[in-house]
Amino acid sequence: AQKVTQAQTEISVVEKEDVTLDCVYETRDTTYYLFWYKQPPSGELVFLIRRNSFDEQNEISGRYSWNFQKSTSSFNFTITASQVVDSAVYFCALRSSNYQLIWGAGTKLIIKP
Amino acid sequence: KAGVTQTPRYLIKTRGQQVTLSCSPISGHRSVSWYQQTPGQGLQFLFEYFSETQRNKGNFPGRFSGRQFSNSRSEMNVSTLELGDSALYLCASSLQVTVSGANVLTFGAGSRLTVL
Repeated sequence: AQKVTQAQTEISVVEKEDVTLDCVYETRDTTYYLFWYKQPPSGELVFLIRRNSFDEQNEISGRYSWNFQKSTSSFNFTITASQVVDSAVYFCALRSSNYQLIWGAGTKLIIKP
Repeated sequence: KAGVTQTPRYLIKTRGQQVTLSCSPISGHRSVSWYQQTPGQGLQFLFEYFSETQRNKGNFPGRFSGRQFSNSRSEMNVSTLELGDSALYLCASSLQVTVSGANVLTFGAGSRLTVL
């Protein structure tokens, strides 16, 4: 069975704090893709990053960074120096052999000024 | 470049009615997929179309159907509406369907359906 778990339902931090969103996935496939999407209050999901199962290189993009570890089946997302505009629901998703996108439940991130 | 356009944005129906939602993908995108988002079940995959053919289908009853036209525009239909069908229906398009599943999806703003 394939599954994505985002254990953090809601996180609230003060602006400029760093925050990490956790994502744990389950799949028996050796080839798969992991994604992070952001859903602001407007409702439109916005793509943030994609990782394939063969690329464990972590990535930093501005204030965003991602930590992919196959050994722990985790694909965590960190925002450095958070800003109010980062407030949104963040979804982790898995796509593998059946090509269906399996979504985590989402983590609501609240950045307080 | 225009994004993914979904119409209508909001609609209210009563139980037993049917509804048709429309999705216009980004120009050049041939793959369209649909998702249902509810507070209880979260985001769930409905179906995916590529070149007018359904490539994949989620675990939803037969009341949920869809199609894709030659211009890549897609519609989904829900018949005999139930209260539990109230949800945000999201459409996404991608440039192509790849066997590796690496497609990056571009989403529309969704159609919010309320069933009374």
